[in-house]
Amino acid sequence: GAVVSQHPSWVICKSGTSVKIECRSLDFQATTMFWYRQFPKQSLMLMATSNEGSKATYEQGVEKDKFLINHASLTLSTLTVTSAHPEDSSFYICSASSSGASTDTQYFGPGTRLTVL
Amino acid sequence: AQSVTQLDSHVSVSEGTPVLLRCNYSSSYSPSLFWYVQHPNKGLQLLLKYTSAATLVKGINGFEAEFKKSETSFHLTKPSAHMSDAAEYFCVVSDAGGTSYGKLTFGQGTILTVHP
Repeated sequence: GAVVSQHPSWVICKSGTSVKIECRSLDFQATTMFWYRQFPKQSLMLMATSNEGSKATYEQGVEKDKFLINHASLTLSTLTVTSAHPEDSSFYICSASSSGASTDTQYFGPGTRLTVL
Repeated sequence: AQSVTQLDSHVSVSEGTPVLLRCNYSSSYSPSLFWYVQHPNKGLQLLLKYTSAATLVKGINGFEAEFKKSETSFHLTKPSAHMSDAAEYFCVVSDAGGTSYGKLTFGQGTILTVHP
């Protein structure tokens, strides 16, 4: 159980275009979803936290107008990278939690590799 | 505030020998601690977690970790390494309060190499 999927697994886009990444919890209801980015040979950095039906909470330094997050249902959250530029190229990973509590396990998706040309 | 330090960026062992991956944490509240593993081109998989119950936590694939509050450590061990254990391992902390509540802070990762 506790499977999280992401789509697409990889995407290449031109500079200035927008890209949408989907994160789905397949077998449980995710009250809270998280979005991370991981640069090569680095650890995961939390970008934002989203609760179903609420606006996302962004970490310091993350541009909320550039990284649009929608968590419209208990099984789906989307991250849209708007007007993407080469420096946005990265590995984006989502996770889902049934409650968002500190003791709760976050289940991770397989990640989406974004390359902006 | 919360933080995690993984003391070794790379660990290399021979198959069949013990594995020790070291992790120290800092937390302002009672922390939850996790170990995740990331195989190449795969998603992060939870190995085990500590949430203020037993200090010795057993996880999947023969891994275990011991929470030592006095040493602020949560080292990951396995008695006998398998080739399939080769991967990157992340120690992760989650605070029970404050602005970091429910958020995960990752260590820098330890790449485990297993030699035949």
